[in-house]
Amino acid sequence: ETGVTQSPTHLIKTRGQQVTLRCSSQSGHNTVSWYQQALGQGPQFIFQYYREEENGRGNFPPRFSGLQFPNYSSELNVNALELDDSALYLCASSAFQGTAKNIQYFGAGTRLSVL
Amino acid sequence: QKEVEQNSGPLSVPEGAIASLNCTYSDRGSQSFFWYRQYSGKSPELIMSIYSNGDKEDGRFTAQLNKASQYVSLLIRDSQPSDSATYLCAVKGYNQGGKLIFGQGTELSVKP
Repeated sequence: ETGVTQSPTHLIKTRGQQVTLRCSSQSGHNTVSWYQQALGQGPQFIFQYYREEENGRGNFPPRFSGLQFPNYSSELNVNALELDDSALYLCASSAFQGTAKNIQYFGAGTRLSVL
Repeated sequence: QKEVEQNSGPLSVPEGAIASLNCTYSDRGSQSFFWYRQYSGKSPELIMSIYSNGDKEDGRFTAQLNKASQYVSLLIRDSQPSDSATYLCAVKGYNQGGKLIFGQGTELSVKP
C-alpha cells in the first residue's frame, strides 16, 4: 500500500459527459501527478500539481484540467468525454525535493469507460 | 523514435532463471531512471530507482545504467512465478519537472 487513494475505482460515462476523478496523496507528500494508461500501453503524463499550482503538462487537450487543494489532495476533470478517453487514470504522489530524485508512488487508479 | 523503448515481450523464463529486461531512452539529459512492476489490472509499484552509471542491487533485483549508451536494464535473479507481471521503465528528463516518461512495458512470464 502506497497511501495514495483514488476514487472512484470504476466509472462508466457516455460520450460528451464530464467526469471528476479524485486523489488523496500520501502523508507528507505535496506533489500530485496524473497519468492516463490505455490498455497495453505505458502511463502517459497528463499534468502535475505542486502547492496548488500546475507544474508541468503533457500533450493533453485543455478539456483535461485539474486542481490541487491546500491539503494536497487533487482532482482531475475531463470535459466532453470521447471514446478514446477510456483508460486507467493513475494518480501519483511525491515529496517535491527540487531534485530529479523524488519518487512517485501510485494509487490504485480509476478505470474510466466511455460508451 | 519513441522517447523510452522497451521490448513488449512476452518474455518467458523458467522458474529459478535470470530474467533480463531492457530499456533505451532518447533524451541524453535524462537524470533519473525507475523500474515499476505492474500486475494485471493493478497500479505500478516501484521496484528500483537508479541515478548513476553502474549497477544497483536490491535483493533479487539489479538495475544497470549506462548513460553513454542511453540504456538501462533490470535483472531479476532466481525468478519466481510471482514475478510474472509487466515491467515498466520510466525516465525523468532534465528540466522536465515531475514528468515521468514510460516505455510501453515488457510482459514477463515465469513458468514453474
